Amino acid sequence: AQTVTQSQPEMSVQEAETVTLSCTYDTSESDYYLFWYKQPPSRQMILVIRQEAYKQQNATENRFSVNFQKAAKSFSLKISDSQLGDAAMYFCAYRSAGGNEKLTFGTGTRLTIIP
Amino acid sequence: GAVVSQHPSWVICKSGTSVKIECRSLDFQATTMFWYRQFPKQSLMLMATSNEGSKATYEQGVEKDKFLINHASLTLSTLTVTSAHPEDSSFYICSAPNPDFSGNTIYFGEGSWLTVV
Repeated sequence: AQTVTQSQPEMSVQEAETVTLSCTYDTSESDYYLFWYKQPPSRQMILVIRQEAYKQQNATENRFSVNFQKAAKSFSLKISDSQLGDAAMYFCAYRSAGGNEKLTFGTGTRLTIIP
Repeated sequence: GAVVSQHPSWVICKSGTSVKIECRSLDFQATTMFWYRQFPKQSLMLMATSNEGSKATYEQGVEKDKFLINHASLTLSTLTVTSAHPEDSSFYICSAPNPDFSGNTIYFGEGSWLTVV
């Protein structure tokens, strides 16, 4: 079974600064997908960024980028120019590339933005 | 774009009663939907996979008779918490994969808060 580990329960960053959230995972599969989801107080799950394991290039979405290290099974999220609206819980998630689209989530990192 | 809607957003029920939560795909067909549970300050834990026209697949430790899942149509899955108890109070959220199966887009409902008193 796959596991996802987020070792930082809480992180804080000064507004406009850069912060990196860590995520590691364990799997025996070679093809899979990785995600970062943001969950604000409303509890709505918002997709931040996704990465296909077969792609070597790190995914980027505006201020959000990942550092995907397949051999190390690491998938960190970098948020640049942090904004107050970035404050939320961030979950790293894994999904097999096979037919089942269920997600395995990490325990989450609560990100606080300091004005 | 594709949207998944859950109803109700909030529900309070008395201990011993049953409550139903609906998950709808609004503009696409979903042969599979997923039900997650999230306790306060915890992560999302998969409860079961809802399969249209067939029985749901439950994760280990989830009581099938307590959490009834029905996926009678391609746009609707329901989760019924039967004989609810206070410990069932939680946030329940559903998801459905992108029907085009790009392989990497999964849509979530808004979630449902259940409080059992």
